[in-house]
Amino acid sequence: DVKVTQSSRYLVKRTGEKVFLECVQDMDHENMFWYRQDPGLGLRLIYFSYDVKMKEKGDIPEGYSVSREKKERFSLILESASTNQTSMYLCASSLTGAGTMSLGEQFFGPGTRLTVL
Amino acid sequence: LAKTTQPISMDSYEGQEVNITCSHNNIATNDYITWYQQFPSQGPRFIIQGYKTKVTNEVASLFIPADRKSSTLSLPRVSLSDTAVYYCLVAFSNTGKLIFGQGTTLQVKP
Repeated sequence: DVKVTQSSRYLVKRTGEKVFLECVQDMDHENMFWYRQDPGLGLRLIYFSYDVKMKEKGDIPEGYSVSREKKERFSLILESASTNQTSMYLCASSLTGAGTMSLGEQFFGPGTRLTVL
Repeated sequence: LAKTTQPISMDSYEGQEVNITCSHNNIATNDYITWYQQFPSQGPRFIIQGYKTKVTNEVASLFIPADRKSSTLSLPRVSLSDTAVYYCLVAFSNTGKLIFGQGTTLQVKP
């Protein structure tokens, strides 16, 4: 079974703090993703990475950055946390394949609920 | 503008078949449609994926009409444990966007 783990289930930070969310997958997947999930909005893609040190912006990258130094680990960084970044953050991974199929079949971690005060 | 749209909620009774439709305009010929199930306090879990006609696995079927502007997830004989939020996802190759629908909350009643 693919396992995607996230460093914290719950996190409380203060406005202006730098926040690191860590994600690790154990199935040698090339692609890794960071989403945020908000009520009524579904999941929105923040960043994804298709290889080590490679990254692509998703729909809502503003206020976030990412790091992928090793294949199994993908970090999401909030440079200066703000209250509007209070959300559920989900990490996912997938294999690489032909076409868009592999981007679709993703394996998700349990999520980190971040509260910014 | 690439977009996926689903009903916000649906109710059903145990043993019934449930069909959840997702609308996705601007989909390209080879773009895949994927459906996920999510329980509270868990990440979404893959259910089924396809890009044309019909796909069936042990838990669901996916129907995609010829124009591919919508797709329907079919859950046969639902049980109480199928109560969850269901999301459709389209990876739009023409824009490079991964777009989830806003999710359909399915409530299965006894």
